Amino acid sequence: EDQVTQSPEALRLQEGESSSLNCSYTVSGLRGLFWYRQDPGKGPEFLFTLYSAGEEKEKERLKATLTKKESFLHITAPKPEDSATYLCAGRDSNYQLIWGAGTKLIIKP
Amino acid sequence: GAGVSQSPSNKVTEKGKDVELRCDPISGHTALYWYRQSLGQGLEFLIYFQGNSAPDKSGLPSDRFSAERTGGSVSTLTIQRTQQEDSAVYLCASSLGGGAYEQYFGPGTRLTVT
Repeated sequence: EDQVTQSPEALRLQEGESSSLNCSYTVSGLRGLFWYRQDPGKGPEFLFTLYSAGEEKEKERLKATLTKKESFLHITAPKPEDSATYLCAGRDSNYQLIWGAGTKLIIKP
Repeated sequence: GAGVSQSPSNKVTEKGKDVELRCDPISGHTALYWYRQSLGQGLEFLIYFQGNSAPDKSGLPSDRFSAERTGGSVSTLTIQRTQQEDSAVYLCASSLGGGAYEQYFGPGTRLTVT
């Protein structure tokens, strides 16, 4: 069964303290690994799509990477405004998204 | 340009009543998705519309749930005889085409069944 697991469930960091969020996946015929950001009371906001192992994408303080089994979202020198829930999803061979439960990131000033 | 909009933003209903949730996708987006998000869980796929094709209803949890999309634009998700377990945030997303494109989400409708 296709599955996406995110860890940790929650992560508290001090401003400026770099870290990584993990997304492990078992998705048959993966057609892309997606990262989204979700703020409270809002819908998810698209960040990145990764298609093949070794691929990396960056946006401001965020960098997403992909291996054959997992994806990482690295956050460098985070700021309080980076606080949000980060969701990852794998697209299967039927082009449906299989979602993880998310990591709630809290950056303390 | 305008993003995906959903209405109402919040809905409180009594068990057994029917509810309708509305989604206005981004103009020009041919694909439209409905998801359900419960606390601490991943998004649960409900239904997918693509152009004039028959919708993919494989995610609908029971026959109390239905959705339609009129004129290839606005969509309505209807839940009949609501149950407490239907309480969740219902999210709508649209994309330029089928599954190969990234999805853009609305703010969601928070449904509470009392």
